[in-house]
Formats: sequence, structure tokens, C-alpha cells
Amino acid sequence: AQTVTQSQPEMSVQEAETVTLSCTYDTSESDYYLFWYKQPPSRQMILVIRQEAYKQQNATENRFSVNFQKAAKSFSLKISDSQLGDAAMYFCAYRSQETSGSRLTFGEGTQLTVNP
Amino acid sequence: GAGVSQSPRYKVTKRGQDVALRCDPISGHVSLYWYRQALGQGPEFLTYFNYEAQQDKSGLPNDRFSAERPEGSISTLTIQRTEQRDSAMYRCASSPGPYNEQFFGPGTRLTVL
Repeated sequence: AQTVTQSQPEMSVQEAETVTLSCTYDTSESDYYLFWYKQPPSRQMILVIRQEAYKQQNATENRFSVNFQKAAKSFSLKISDSQLGDAAMYFCAYRSQETSGSRLTFGEGTQLTVNP
Repeated sequence: GAGVSQSPRYKVTKRGQDVALRCDPISGHVSLYWYRQALGQGPEFLTYFNYEAQQDKSGLPNDRFSAERPEGSISTLTIQRTEQRDSAMYRCASSPGPYNEQFFGPGTRLTVL
């Protein structure tokens, strides 16, 4: 079974600075997707960014980018120019494209605080 | 357009009662998922459907939990004889197909007293 681990329960960053959230995963599969979701205080689940395992190029969405290291099974999220609205719980998630069906497997989350 | 909706948003019940949680997916979405999220943790998969067929129910914790999607649209998650440990946020998500982006609903916060 696949597992996702987020080793940083809490992180903080100064407004306008850069922060990196860590995620590692364990799988024997070669075809999968990785995701970062944001959960603000409203507790909605908002997709931030996704990465397909077969793509070597790291995904980027505006101020959000990932560092995907397939061999190391690492998938970190970098937030540049942090804004107060980035404060939220961030979840890393895995989805198989092979035998496990299309369920999402989530990590435990990292609570990000943005200080003004 | 309308997103995924869930009802009720909040449910308080007494231990031993049955509860039914409803999910109304985005129109036309083939796949529908149920997750459970305890406070301070990530969502955990419960079950999922393609159309009306339940494809995977391996995440349902025990036989008190069941789900259906009889017409391939609205889904109901039923918990029988609720226990305090069932208290959590129950989230529904839908997607156009099994390997497309999942869109999450606002969740139902269940509290079992």
C-alpha cells in the first residue's frame, strides 16, 4: 500500500519570504500523480498543484512550485512571496494510475502560518 | 457552475442512532468518492463509485458503514448504530472520470454524543 509522510506538522514564514513544505511517499508503482491541497480555516479542500510521475519537469503554478525527486520519492512544495492568504493546512496526496484505483492517499498535513 | 454539495453541513446525533449523509456531485461527473477526516489529520478514503457501481469499498471501517449511488448521481453514506469514534468530517468528492481531478464538497461535520 502507498503511504505519504509529511514530517513537518507546523511551519511558519514571514510575509513575502519563501517557504518549502516537505513530503515523502512510498510506492512500488511507476505511474502515479502527486498533489498538494490547501485547506484554509474554512476547511475547504483546494487543489494547489499537481505533478505526473512521468514528467521530469517540475510543475509550477504562479507562486507555487514543486521539487519532484522520483528516485528519492520526495515531493516538496515551494511557496514564493508568501502572502497572508497562504496561511492554511497543506496536504500532500498520492494517486495511482495503476492498480490501486483512483483514490487519493493523503499525508498528515503541515500547518503553515504566515507572519506579517 | 454549481460545485459539489453535501447535506447536512452539521449533524449532531446520539450514540446508537443511524445517520445518512448526502452528496450531490457536479452534474455529469462519473466518479464519486467518500473520505473521512479527523481533526488535525488528512482525509482517509472510504469508498468510491463509477456511475452507480461501487468500485472500491475497502476503506469502510466496518459493516456499520455503507454507501450507495443508485442512479449514478446523488450518493448517500449511511452509518448505523453510531459510536463516538465516528465523529469526524465526512467529505465527498466528484470527478469527470476516475483519473481526473477530484473536486471536494464542503463536508458534513458529524458529532456523536
